[in-house]
Amino acid sequence: NAGVTQTPKFQVLKTGQSMTLQCAQDMNHNSMYWYRQDPGMGLRLIYYSASEGTTDKGEVPNGYNVSRLNKREFSLRLESAAPSQTSVYFCASSRDSLNTEAFFGQGTRLTVV
Amino acid sequence: AQKITQTQPGMFVQEKEAVTLDCTYDTSDQSYGLFWYKQPSSGEMIFLIYQGSYDEQNATEGRYSLNFQKARKSANLVISASQLGDSAMYFCAMRHLTGGGNKLTFGTGTQLKVEL
Repeated sequence: NAGVTQTPKFQVLKTGQSMTLQCAQDMNHNSMYWYRQDPGMGLRLIYYSASEGTTDKGEVPNGYNVSRLNKREFSLRLESAAPSQTSVYFCASSRDSLNTEAFFGQGTRLTVV
Repeated sequence: AQKITQTQPGMFVQEKEAVTLDCTYDTSDQSYGLFWYKQPSSGEMIFLIYQGSYDEQNATEGRYSLNFQKARKSANLVISASQLGDSAMYFCAMRHLTGGGNKLTFGTGTQLKVEL
């Protein structure tokens, strides 16, 4: 079972470069999420999507864009990377109900130099 | 705004003893879900236990139990008979409904170290 697949696992960018983090889930979930994890700050929500074609901002959306391409895929784009975006990024998905857990990808470790 | 607070950045416990990891939350919603996740040093996020806001009994899953005190807005995780493999980061999270769907908010985490 693949679950939630994120690519790439590691990436180094130069300041000002752009890149897209890819996420796909095979569990037919409506809800998908992007988080960043920084030491001492836990997981902070960047964007989330309740269904195909809809996206909403989380706590820390500045500097990011997202696309919910279809039900399976939810991508995160950094248009002009900054050192402050050095972090570990997690994609997650879940069913819609309040009582179901979210499933996470393996994470992407991004370094911006 | 919804918020999850974990006030213990780090905790130590002796093997085979019980440990409680604190979590308080703030919400004006009547319906919400509370979750605990474990993140070992390898980095993956592992779901441990769930408690619904309307559940009258505390949730239990093996050695994990959730001490849910709704009036105090706390959802502490209790790990009984700690094992060396329990050493990890633990996150408390809350799911609640918004106009755009349901949102999952995490606390800052507690780093647990189990010692011999």
